[in-house]
Amino acid sequence: AQTVTQSQPEMSVQEAETVTLSCTYDTSESDYYLFWYKQPPSRQMILVIRQEAYKQQNATENRFSVNFQKAAKSFSLKISDSQLGDAAMYFCAYRSPQGGSEKLVFGKGTKLTVNP
Amino acid sequence: DTGVSQDPRHKITKRGQNVTFRCDPISEHNRLYWYRQTLGQGPEFLTYFQNEAQLEKSRLLSDRFSAERPKGSFSTLEIQRTEQGDSAMYLCASSLGWAYYNEQFFGPGTRLTVL
Repeated sequence: AQTVTQSQPEMSVQEAETVTLSCTYDTSESDYYLFWYKQPPSRQMILVIRQEAYKQQNATENRFSVNFQKAAKSFSLKISDSQLGDAAMYFCAYRSPQGGSEKLVFGKGTKLTVNP
Repeated sequence: DTGVSQDPRHKITKRGQNVTFRCDPISEHNRLYWYRQTLGQGPEFLTYFQNEAQLEKSRLLSDRFSAERPKGSFSTLEIQRTEQGDSAMYLCASSLGWAYYNEQFFGPGTRLTVL
C-alpha cells in the first residue's frame, strides 16, 4: 500500500522568508500524481500545487514550487516570500490511477506558522 | 458561492445514535468522495462515487457506515450506532472525472462529536 510521510509536524518561518516542507512517499508504481494541499484554520482544504510523476520539470505556482525527486521518492514544497496568509496545515498527498482508484493518500500534515 | 457544501457543519450526538451528513458537490462534477480526518492526522479515504455508482470503498467503511448518491447529485453519509471512535471531521470532495489531473475540491467538513 502507498504511504505518505511528512516528517515535520510543525514548521515556522518569518514573514518574507522562504520555507521548505518535506514529504516522502512509498510506492511501487511508476505513474502517479502528487499534490500539496493547504488547510487554513477552520477553512476548507485547497490545492496548492500538483506534479505528475512522468514530468521531470518541477511544478511552480507563483510563490510555491516543488522539488520532485522521483528516484528518492521525495516531494518537497518551497514557499517563497512567506505571507501571514500562508499559515495553515499543509498536507502532501499521492494518487495513482492504477486499477481505477481515485483515492488520495495523505500524510499527517505539517503545521506552518508565519511570524510577522 | 458554487463550491462544495456540507451540512451540518457540526454535529454532537450520544453514543449509539444514528447520524446522517449531506454533501452537495460542485454542479457538473460527476465524482464525489468522502474522507475522514481525525485530530492530528491527514484525511483518510472512505468511499467515492461516479455519478450514482459507488465505485470504491475503504476498509475503514465498516458495516455501520453507508453512503449514497441518489441521482448522481448530492450524497449522504450515514453512521449507525455511533461510537466514540467515530468522532472526527468528515470531508466531502468532488471532481470533474474527465478533467486533467481530476482535481478534488473539498468542502468545509462536518465535525462529529460522539459523547
